[in-house]
Amino acid sequence: AQRVTQPEKLLSVFKGAPVELKCNYSYSGSPELFWYVQYSRQRLQLLLRHISRESIKGFTADLNKGETSFHLKKPFAQEEDSAMYYCALQPSGNTGKLIFGQGTTLQVKP
Amino acid sequence: EAGVAQSPRYKIIEKRQSVAFWCNPISGHATLYWYQQILGQGPKLLIQFQNNGVVDDSQLPKDRFSAERLKGVDSTLKIQPAKLEDSAVYLCASSLQLNYGYTFGSGTRLTVV
Repeated sequence: AQRVTQPEKLLSVFKGAPVELKCNYSYSGSPELFWYVQYSRQRLQLLLRHISRESIKGFTADLNKGETSFHLKKPFAQEEDSAMYYCALQPSGNTGKLIFGQGTTLQVKP
Repeated sequence: EAGVAQSPRYKIIEKRQSVAFWCNPISGHATLYWYQQILGQGPKLLIQFQNNGVVDDSQLPKDRFSAERLKGVDSTLKIQPAKLEDSAVYLCASSLQLNYGYTFGSGTRLTVV
């Protein structure tokens, strides 16, 4: 079965602390992995995709095929990082379809 | 560039009534998606169009949901008749190519009472 699991509904950290948002997936092939973010009262938007290996707003994510994980990390959290984060998997085969996790709310306290 | 436009923003209807949502994707984006997001869950794909053809509608409840994409541009999603469990945010998204990230609209929040 194709599934994305984000085990934490809420992650609360203090400003300046490191952040790791966990994402595990279940898929037998080679998927594309994405992180999407939704800030308060804004649209869901793409944060980063693993194939581009970019660092966006200080966030990085490494695909670990052995552990089937794609955790999102940032060394020093900022208050403006507070948002809902969704991990998403795109099955191989050029379909474009995304399978989303349930999301994790990141709360960065001052 | 202009974003993905959706209307209405909010809709409240009684169960067994009909409702329709409209989406205008980014100009030139061939792929259009409709997702359903129930409170507390991630978005779930309902239907995917490539130009005006359906690529994937495997999770669309076809007994009550229908969608079309007029001339490969705008799209409408209809629910008839609505059930309480259809209460959700309906998101439209478009992408330039299949393996690119999406651009999402602001969504339509449907409440069925």
